[in-house]
Amino acid sequence: EDQVTQSPEALRLQEGESSSLNCSYTVSGLRGLFWYRQDPGKGPEFLFTLYSAGEEKEKERLKATLTKKESFLHITAPKPEDSATYLCASSSGSARQLTFGSGTQLTVLP
Amino acid sequence: DTGVSQDPRHKITKRGQNVTFRCDPISEHNRLYWYRQTLGQGPEFLTYFQNEAQLEKSRLLSDRFSAERPKGSFSTLEIQRTEQGDSAMYLCASSSGLGSYGYTFGSGTRLTVV
Repeated sequence: EDQVTQSPEALRLQEGESSSLNCSYTVSGLRGLFWYRQDPGKGPEFLFTLYSAGEEKEKERLKATLTKKESFLHITAPKPEDSATYLCASSSGSARQLTFGSGTQLTVLP
Repeated sequence: DTGVSQDPRHKITKRGQNVTFRCDPISEHNRLYWYRQTLGQGPEFLTYFQNEAQLEKSRLLSDRFSAERPKGSFSTLEIQRTEQGDSAMYLCASSSGLGSYGYTFGSGTRLTVV
């Protein structure tokens, strides 16, 4: 059974203070590693999919990376509007569903 | 197309009542998923449709839960004899099954059982 663990549970940053969120996964036959952003009261919003170790993807101030055991979401010079919960999820084998971690709640203070 | 739509956004019901939620996926997406999310947790998979066929169900989906997707278009999720433990956000997502598997989620239905 797939397991996805995210850390830290919560992170408070000052505006402009770069940091990284961690996603550790135990998956047999990884098909994809996903990052989503979720704002309060809304559904998750797709950010990235990573398929193989060494892959990196970027979008504005966010960069996602993947190793054989972990994925990192790097946030460079964050702004208050980056405040949200960031979710990591895996897809493996023939399964169509995603297995999500519990998320990291990011707060960026002005 | 404005994305995945869910109705209602909020539902308050008394314990023991039946409730039904509706999801309208992105029109060209043939895959539809239901997830449940409780406070402070990530979404948990409930069930998956490809067109009108329900192909996978989680063991979380007790006999009180039933989902349909007639004609491969919208989907409904019904919960019979609701319990307080059913209080959660119910999320619907759809995908085309191609490329990145990046689902598009709706905004969810928040269920409160009192």
